[in-house]
Amino acid sequence: SQTIHQWPATLVQPVGSPLSLECTVEGTSNPNLYWYRQAAGRGLQLLFYSIGIDQISSEVPQNLSASRPQDRQFILSSKKLLLSDSGFYLCAWVRENTEAFFGQGTRLTVV
Amino acid sequence: AQSVTQLGSHVSVSEGALVLLRCNYSSSVPPYLFWYVQYPNQGLQLLLKYTSAATLVKGINGFEAEFKKSETSFHLTKPSAHMSDAAEYFCAVIPSGGSYIPTFGRGTSLIVHP
Repeated sequence: SQTIHQWPATLVQPVGSPLSLECTVEGTSNPNLYWYRQAAGRGLQLLFYSIGIDQISSEVPQNLSASRPQDRQFILSSKKLLLSDSGFYLCAWVRENTEAFFGQGTRLTVV
Repeated sequence: AQSVTQLGSHVSVSEGALVLLRCNYSSSVPPYLFWYVQYPNQGLQLLLKYTSAATLVKGINGFEAEFKKSETSFHLTKPSAHMSDAAEYFCAVIPSGGSYIPTFGRGTSLIVHP
């Protein structure tokens, strides 16, 4: 069966520090992968999506970047965190168009 | 392009009462529709999905939803609310062709009081 792993679950980082969140998928190949950010009362905002290795599309301008070095690995990064980067980050993959599967999320607090 | 509108950021019901969470969508191609539930500090869990089969879809935990093309709606219902149903609920649409990018509504917080 397919599973999706996302870590860490919680993270507290100082302003100006780097960020690396990792997401991996098991049990499937060539998945479509997505990073979302969730803010209270604002639903899920799509940040990046990827349809293959080194193929990244950015949905909104921001202080973040994404990379896909391997087929089933999707990484969200920042060189210098801002206070406004705080939030709940979710990784997801979509099985064709029939269902989206989510990781457990990362609660990022920038202090 | 597609969009999802969830009416009401908060819905409050008594335990045992009917739950109705509203979702309307717009999509340029026939969509697949989903309801997800999220408990605090967790990822999203699939409740049910419509993928062009039966228009009345039954999901987990006693929830169901009906796809109404004429109304572009996919409302979520449960006949009798339970305290454990208190959570955030998201309606989502994935187009049946193209980029497969899920679009989510803003979410509805379901509050269940005794």
